[in-house]
Amino acid sequence: ILNVEQSPQSLHVQEGDSTNFTCSFPSSNFYALHWYRWETAKSPEALFVMTLNGDEKKKGRISATLNTKEGYSYLYIKGSQPEDSATYLCAPSTYGGSQGNLIFGKGTKLSVKP
Amino acid sequence: EAGVAQSPRYKIIEKRQSVAFWCNPISGHATLYWYQQILGQGPKLLIQFQNNGVVDDSQLPKDRFSAERLKGVDSTLKIQPAKLEDSAVYLCASTNRPGADYGYTFGSGTRLTVV
Repeated sequence: ILNVEQSPQSLHVQEGDSTNFTCSFPSSNFYALHWYRWETAKSPEALFVMTLNGDEKKKGRISATLNTKEGYSYLYIKGSQPEDSATYLCAPSTYGGSQGNLIFGKGTKLSVKP
Repeated sequence: EAGVAQSPRYKIIEKRQSVAFWCNPISGHATLYWYQQILGQGPKLLIQFQNNGVVDDSQLPKDRFSAERLKGVDSTLKIQPAKLEDSAVYLCASTNRPGADYGYTFGSGTRLTVV
């Protein structure tokens, strides 16, 4: 079973600050890395899915990078806003086993103060 | 498109009682997942369906949990009898491209409290 680590566990920033989180995972049999944003009382929302080493993806003020050789991904938020407050989950999947089975980390809980 | 529908949103039961959760995935999505998210942990896969067949239920506690997707559309997850440690959010997700470079669509979840 994959061991997925996310850091930090929680983060409190001021509006306008930029921030980043880390997701670490075993690099063997890697297939894809998903990032989700989960706001309280809502559905987890897919942010990015990355598969290739060196992938970089961007969605508005949020971007992510992927290093499959060393087994990590960074999520960046530029100019945080209160609406960015949520738990950010990463989930890799692997070749073999049940295709598409995502193994989630515990998440990073972000709080942005106005 | 309509999202993944789950009901109920909240449920409080006493230990040893039974409970059932329902999920209606996005139309056309053949793959359906049930995840359990205990407070402070990441979501853990309980069961994966492909149409009406089970692909992976290796982490489903089969002595008390059961799930079905009889017509390959909506799905029911049941717990009988419930234990205190079953208190969690139960998430349903669906996709038509499992394992591909495509995010999954999640429902809002059912928050279960066992007292």
